[in-house]
Amino acid sequence: GQQVMQIPQYQHVQEGEDFTTYCNSSTTLSNIQWYKQRPGGHPVFLIQLVKSGEVKKQKRLTFQFGEAKKNSSLHITATQTTDVGTYFCAGPRAGSYQLTFGKGTKLSVIP
Amino acid sequence: DSGVTQTPKHLITATGQRVTLRCSPRSGDLSVYWYQQSLDQGLQFLIQYYNGEERAKGNILERFSAQQFPDLHSELNLSSLELGDSALYFCASSPLAGDADTQYFGPGTRLTVL
Repeated sequence: GQQVMQIPQYQHVQEGEDFTTYCNSSTTLSNIQWYKQRPGGHPVFLIQLVKSGEVKKQKRLTFQFGEAKKNSSLHITATQTTDVGTYFCAGPRAGSYQLTFGKGTKLSVIP
Repeated sequence: DSGVTQTPKHLITATGQRVTLRCSPRSGDLSVYWYQQSLDQGLQFLIQYYNGEERAKGNILERFSAQQFPDLHSELNLSSLELGDSALYFCASSPLAGDADTQYFGPGTRLTVL
């Protein structure tokens, strides 16, 4: 079945450093979504990418969708302690309404 | 606050028991999704309902069942509970049933099976 892999699983950065998480799907995706889950919280929708090669920015966050629509990345510039949490990518399973989530990248920011 | 409510917040029970988790979607949302989140398993999709009907099924055990009522709230029933069922259970809702829909997650129910 469809698999969505995320790397790295954990990332510890010094405050002010950049951070990137990568998402790879075993199948082509019609779209990809990114969610953030703060410690003790619930996943919160960040963004959706639909077009091949699409790049979207939200302040210090940059999201990319690969040309083949099988991979995506989230880059955070100059991390802050408020960026702490687990970042999940999710893609729809082909022919289904089901979203398949990656296992997430847990980001720790050292002040 | 996503607008999705889940009760109870915490649930502690014993093996072999049965529990019911409740979810109320955001106003106007027709789809409800249930997920299980264990420590090392990420978010596992269990089941989706759209306007009262089952729309998609994931890795949901036969001991688990769900339904969506006419007022669109949903319940997840977990029976013959095992230690391994201890997890966070999230409900999410979306306006429709398309795969492009953003999902809005509730605060979750933490289930502990002793």
